[in-house]
Amino acid sequence: QKEVEQDPGPLSVPEGAIVSLNCTYSNSAFQYFMWYRQYSRKGPELLMYTYSSGNKEDGRFTAQVDKSSKYISLFIRDSQPSDSATYLCAMSKQGAQKLVFGQGTRLTINP
Amino acid sequence: DVKVTQSSRYLVKRTGEKVFLECVQDMDHENMFWYRQDPGLGLRLIYFSYDVKMKEKGDIPEGYSVSREKKERFSLILESASTNQTSMYLCASTLGGNRYEQYFGPGTRLTVT
Repeated sequence: QKEVEQDPGPLSVPEGAIVSLNCTYSNSAFQYFMWYRQYSRKGPELLMYTYSSGNKEDGRFTAQVDKSSKYISLFIRDSQPSDSATYLCAMSKQGAQKLVFGQGTRLTINP
Repeated sequence: DVKVTQSSRYLVKRTGEKVFLECVQDMDHENMFWYRQDPGLGLRLIYFSYDVKMKEKGDIPEGYSVSREKKERFSLILESASTNQTSMYLCASTLGGNRYEQYFGPGTRLTVT
């Protein structure tokens, strides 16, 4: 079983929809959680960085961490065609500089 | 803004050639990483470095070596390139301490023929 599970999709939604992307994990020691956006043939770009449980909002993006369920989510409001990309979740334990990544979810926003 | 640059966006090499991929970060980050990314396999860690001249093997170090002579620069070396090393190579860096978020470079698409 992988430490981090992420549905690879593809996920296709109409413009303006609310998108929900999710990852589950098995290691309760994970405390630092990240979401990356990766456009085709480009490097991943850090979108959100959260510590422990709770919500964090940045513009149209909200990251949510539920440590009791070992579940993290990224919500995108008012989705735009420019949000079409692969979204990767990543997480780390205290003191461990290596990240564990999900497989990535490929998202397409249709105009 | 953190900036991580990689020496080439696209590279074509022949089997058996020695290949150097360079990565530079401009934010005085302690830790640097090399990954490869392949369809269906995700990001896989090749090597990382937590200090100058220090390195640790990642999940798939076979066929690769690294060099970190200066804090801002981390090189990945393919001693004798093979076709199964055709991939997207990504460099990343982190500040260190209690900061774990990695900042990635644009990637190098390497094709070995």
